[in-house]
Formats: sequence, C-alpha cells, structure tokens
Amino acid sequence: GAVVSQHPSWVICKSGTSVKIECRSLDFQATTMFWYRQFPKQSLMLMATSNEGSKATYEQGVEKDKFLINHASLTLSTLTVTSAHPEDSSFYICSARDPRQNTGELFFGEGSRLTVL
Amino acid sequence: TQLLEQSPQFLSIQEGENLTVYCNSSSVFSSLQWYRQEPGEGPVLLVTVVTGGEVKKLKRLTFQFGDARKDSSLHITAAQTGDTGLYLCAGKDSGGGADGLTFGKGTHLIIQP
Repeated sequence: GAVVSQHPSWVICKSGTSVKIECRSLDFQATTMFWYRQFPKQSLMLMATSNEGSKATYEQGVEKDKFLINHASLTLSTLTVTSAHPEDSSFYICSARDPRQNTGELFFGEGSRLTVL
Repeated sequence: TQLLEQSPQFLSIQEGENLTVYCNSSSVFSSLQWYRQEPGEGPVLLVTVVTGGEVKKLKRLTFQFGDARKDSSLHITAAQTGDTGLYLCAGKDSGGGADGLTFGKGTHLIIQP
C-alpha cells in the first residue's frame, strides 16, 4: 500500500513555543492531505484539509491561527502548533489518498505525540 | 450528517476466543474500510469492501459488507494477543467529512493471554 510518513513521532515542548510536524507521502503525490487529532481512547477528529498550493480548509471549531498548515509541495504538508499550551497536548495524525487507487482508502502517517509542559 | 455506529466500544476477551465487531448505518456507502491502530501509531488499513454482500478474509479476520452497503462486520477467529488494538471502520460517500469518510468511534479490543 501507499506510504505516508510523519516526523517527529513524539515531541515535548515548553508552553508558549511552536512545534512543527511534517507529513510526507513517500511513493505518491498528494494534492490533498488531512490532519487529525486524537484524544486517548477516542476516534480520529478531522482538523483540517491541506491543499497543495492554496490555503488549508479548517473544520468548524479549529483555530486556523493556532494550527498553521502549509502544503508547499505534492509530497509534503506541515502542521505548526503555534504558542502551544498544555491543552494542545495530543496525538496528531495525517493522512492522504493515493490517486492511483479509486476506492477511497486513506493512508495514515505514524502519528506524532505532542506533549506541552 | 452520516453516522456510523460501531459496537462494541470496548471488548476484552481471552486468547483463543472469537469475536465480532459491527458497524451500522442508515446511510449507503460506496465502500467501507477497516483500520487497526496500535497505541502510539497511526491507523493501518486492513481491508476495503466495495460490493454489497462482499466477504473478504485476511488470515483469521473475516470482513463482510452488508447487502445494502449500510453495514459491515469484522469477525476474528481464535484471537491472539497481537490482535489487541483500536479497530476503526470508515465509510466512504459524498456525505462524509472533508476527507470523504465517516468514521466509527472505534472498538478498543484487548486480548488477554
């Protein structure tokens, strides 16, 4: 199957700092990538859609100034958590759809665990 | 808004037992995916079912798509401790989220040795 990779897999930062998480599609090009947040024992919550060459589309209730998304190339999307606070601590996951397949499958990154002290 | 009801939410059984996880909806999906997620990792695609009534097998896992493409089940035979994880179903249709999918809330499965 298609491969999506995230980096870093975990990060610890101080309150007030910014953290960048990268999401790469390794063997296909993705004009669109998706970012999720997952709380313990819960399912995935879609945060935003990252669009290559244009602005991201945010889900209702997600602060776009807090979660900056950049999709500068067809294989890379980044999520920057700005001025992070402890309540931003969570598991962040990205996904992308392989254009070579038409069954709607999403391929997920390994996830990034953010802990804000 | 489409909903995909997944049950049970939590399940803890002994190694060697059988189990079934269900995903039900009143909506029709063009396809349905099952994912497994282990702690600290992203979801991994297990299978995609597309045709109503379709049955797919992946070793000890059997996936079925309902005839009307509104529901699906995952049956695990002789569960092993390595089957422990969060199982997510996700239906694809135009009524889903921006990612095109409607996710179930997940089934947390624990297989005890």
